[in-house]
Amino acid sequence: EVQLLESGGALVQPGGSLRISCAASGFSFTNFGMSWVRQAPGKGLEWVAALTGSGTRTYYADSVKGRFTISRDNSKNTLFLEMSSLRGEDTAVYYCTKRTRAEPGYGIDVWGQGTTVIVSS
Amino acid sequence: QSVLTQPPSASGTPGQRVTISCSGSDSNIGGNYVYWYQQLPGTAPKLLIYPDNQRPSGVPDRFSGSKSGTSASLAISGLRSEDEADYYCAAWDDSVTGEVFGGGTRVTVL
Repeated sequence: EVQLLESGGALVQPGGSLRISCAASGFSFTNFGMSWVRQAPGKGLEWVAALTGSGTRTYYADSVKGRFTISRDNSKNTLFLEMSSLRGEDTAVYYCTKRTRAEPGYGIDVWGQGTTVIVSS
Repeated sequence: QSVLTQPPSASGTPGQRVTISCSGSDSNIGGNYVYWYQQLPGTAPKLLIYPDNQRPSGVPDRFSGSKSGTSASLAISGLRSEDEADYYCAAWDDSVTGEVFGGGTRVTVL
């Protein structure tokens, strides 16, 4: 069974940094692109970042470009999102997602349960 | 404002057919695959429909998807109370080199 388990969500002060992780299991991790999608309280889904199966190419939403970094450790089947210069509008549930192919142009087929990031003083 | 446009709400009585539209452009729906997701209250989204109107195992055939040009639609036939949820369309967008979502449609079973 394919599983994605996020961790690392926390309460962070504005301007602070945080790294969240996603442990993947049940599939050949290297063969699939991965991404992060977030959902602010009471709002819709917003794509944050994606990377290819090899991790060599990354893509970011304009709202996080220059502040967030997506990466993966294929030896540990783990996806990361490094967040810095956090703002109140970054408050959201962050979902780890598996894409249907190695390249990001294909959609998401599996979602994790999410980890909550709250940016507040 | 979402790149893909969905109606904010839709409703129907049990057994009825409900259709949700998703409007985009050549750079997203017009040139890439469209996916549909269902988010039940308090839970993570799950894949409902993927390209060429395919459904993951466990998704009933009451759900179907279609695409024409720069628009797509999701149809729910034989509406049931457990279909009350938020529904999102999504597609890769070549102009922004990223994924775009619709704003979501809340389906209510009257």
